Amino acid sequence: EDQVTQSPEALRLQEGESSSLNCSYTVSGLRGLFWYRQDPGKGPEFLFTLYSAGEEKEKERLKATLTKKESFLHITAPKPEDSATYLCAVRPNYGGSQGNLIFGKGTKLSVKP
Amino acid sequence: ETGVTQTPRHLVMGMTNKKSLKCEQHLGHNAMYWYKQSAKKPLELMFVYNFKEQTENNSVPSRFSPECPNSSHLFLHLHTLQPEDSALYLCASSQGLADEQYFGPGTRLTVT
Repeated sequence: EDQVTQSPEALRLQEGESSSLNCSYTVSGLRGLFWYRQDPGKGPEFLFTLYSAGEEKEKERLKATLTKKESFLHITAPKPEDSATYLCAVRPNYGGSQGNLIFGKGTKLSVKP
Repeated sequence: ETGVTQTPRHLVMGMTNKKSLKCEQHLGHNAMYWYKQSAKKPLELMFVYNFKEQTENNSVPSRFSPECPNSSHLFLHLHTLQPEDSALYLCASSQGLADEQYFGPGTRLTVT
């Protein structure tokens, strides 16, 4: 069964304390892994798409990496405005046909000043 | 601010009411989606439309009825809902079915 698991469920950091969020997945092939940020009361905001193992993408203090079984979202020197829930989603590959996005439950990040 | 808008932002309805949620995208995308987001659960895909044609109905109860009159507008018609249908309903759009999706702010629905 296709599955996406994010850990930890919640993470509290001090401002400037770097850390990583994990997204592990079990899917029938991978046609893309997506990271989103969601603020309370708002819709998810697209951050990154990764397609193949070894790929990395960066945006400000965030860097996403991908292996064959998991993805990491590294947060370097976070600021309070980085506080949000971070969602991971994968798109399976069903014998050449793409599947719909499968989301994890998210990691709620709190950064204290 | 994203290019996907949703109205209303909040909705309280009784179990016998009929209401509709509206979504509009200003991004020139061809695909639109409805998702349900409940507390402590992952986003659940409900419906997918591509070029106005429904391509996915993810075993959603018939009390939810989608409508896509054109590639920019998507509706979700609601009738005789249950309290467990209370959730955040999110609309999204993408250029193609394989592309990243852009979400609206959602409609917070409460069924009393």
